[in-house]
Amino acid sequence: NAGVTQTPKFQVLKTGQSMTLQCAQDMNHEYMSWYRQDPGMGLRLIHYSVGAGITDQGEVPNGYNVSRSTTEDFPLRLLSAAPSQTSVYFCASRAGYSPLHFGNGTRLTVT
Amino acid sequence: AQRVTQPEKLLSVFKGAPVELKCNYSYSGSPELFWYVQYSRQRLQLLLRHISRESIKGFTADLNKGETSFHLKKPFAQEEDSAMYYCALNRDDKIIFGKGTRLHILP
Repeated sequence: NAGVTQTPKFQVLKTGQSMTLQCAQDMNHEYMSWYRQDPGMGLRLIHYSVGAGITDQGEVPNGYNVSRSTTEDFPLRLLSAAPSQTSVYFCASRAGYSPLHFGNGTRLTVT
Repeated sequence: AQRVTQPEKLLSVFKGAPVELKCNYSYSGSPELFWYVQYSRQRLQLLLRHISRESIKGFTADLNKGETSFHLKKPFAQEEDSAMYYCALNRDDKIIFGKGTRLHILP
């Protein structure tokens, strides 16, 4: 099993560009979530999903969209990138009451 | 509002000394609490969860509902414990993290 796979590992965007961060898991986990990690701010929840077809907002959802058409995939879309979205993004999944399994992260820079 | 508080950004401890990383939470229901660790250049991984009541790598954490705390403790610090530690709370399927404490073990 690959676990939680995030692509790309690194990305540089210009202000105003859009892009999609990919997240896939092969553990048949119902729950998936996206976090951003910033120095001094810890991890902040962006969006989460408790199953295919269901998504909900986390702590910092503005500027991001998600969809969950399959159990395996949970892409995060940046609609119009801003420098404030420069961060490291982590995808995570869990089954039932198991702990979160994290991906390796995507480091995004917006210039 | 901050629901998970880790008051120390950085904690420096000498090798062999006891370690305590503080975590306080705010939640009116039955909390599900975790400690995650992130070693340099690695992904976050679970260290402890309160329901398991086990010791991992010598670390323990006890849930104190009266003080709404879930402090992480280890009696004797080791150099390999240097890492970033995050306390996390499951609030109705929103798993919220604290800002983290960087633990630096001094030789």
